[in-house]
Amino acid sequence: QQPVQSPQAVILREGEDAVINCSSSKALYSVHWYRQKHGEAPVFLMILLKGGEQKGHEKISASFNEKKQQSSLYLTASQLSYSGTYFCGTERHSGNTPLVFGKGTRLSVIA
Amino acid sequence: EPEVTQTPSHQVTQMGQEVILRCVPISNHLYFYWYRQILGQKVEFLVSFYNNEISEKSEIFDDQFSVERPDGSNFTLKIRSTKLEDSAMYFCASSDWTGGEKLFFGSGTQLSVL
Repeated sequence: QQPVQSPQAVILREGEDAVINCSSSKALYSVHWYRQKHGEAPVFLMILLKGGEQKGHEKISASFNEKKQQSSLYLTASQLSYSGTYFCGTERHSGNTPLVFGKGTRLSVIA
Repeated sequence: EPEVTQTPSHQVTQMGQEVILRCVPISNHLYFYWYRQILGQKVEFLVSFYNNEISEKSEIFDDQFSVERPDGSNFTLKIRSTKLEDSAMYFCASSDWTGGEKLFFGSGTQLSVL
């Protein structure tokens, strides 16, 4: 069951903030966030495990609400280098289940 | 940082031909995956592999696809008789555990079926 991401695309000016949402209709064990630049492989940003934790990576942070089966990625004071497509990936349980990705959110940061 | 290596970076083939995409996962990793991404679309799961056998596969991974770990380092994806719709970027990934463990992706093989 693929997670649903929103918005599909967003355009920001440098320094602006953005939130990307990821939701699932099924209970989740973990949510992963990856960023992919054009023509490159997805690059890992962070993992959130059930327990409602929040994590941060410089000016990029995320939260996971396991009751709502939702995660949000927060990009603060965006930089040009943040441009790319952001994918959330979800795992249904801690066993050997594959990571299933959403359709992605294309983020463009302009000067 | 250790890397997942994929070869070739580009592969062009005629419809109906067999192709083998190669991957060298990170050496101490135990779980291996193939994903594909059609241009501009999401990254789709194909198959996961652990302990020398397929642990899970998607509906995309039909009888035309197979995976193998022929030796201690390589992990291959074979498409027996390629179709036009197999054209995509194929990513190999590996992880040292499963369940809340990050995937390391290779740089991908762009497959074009003519």
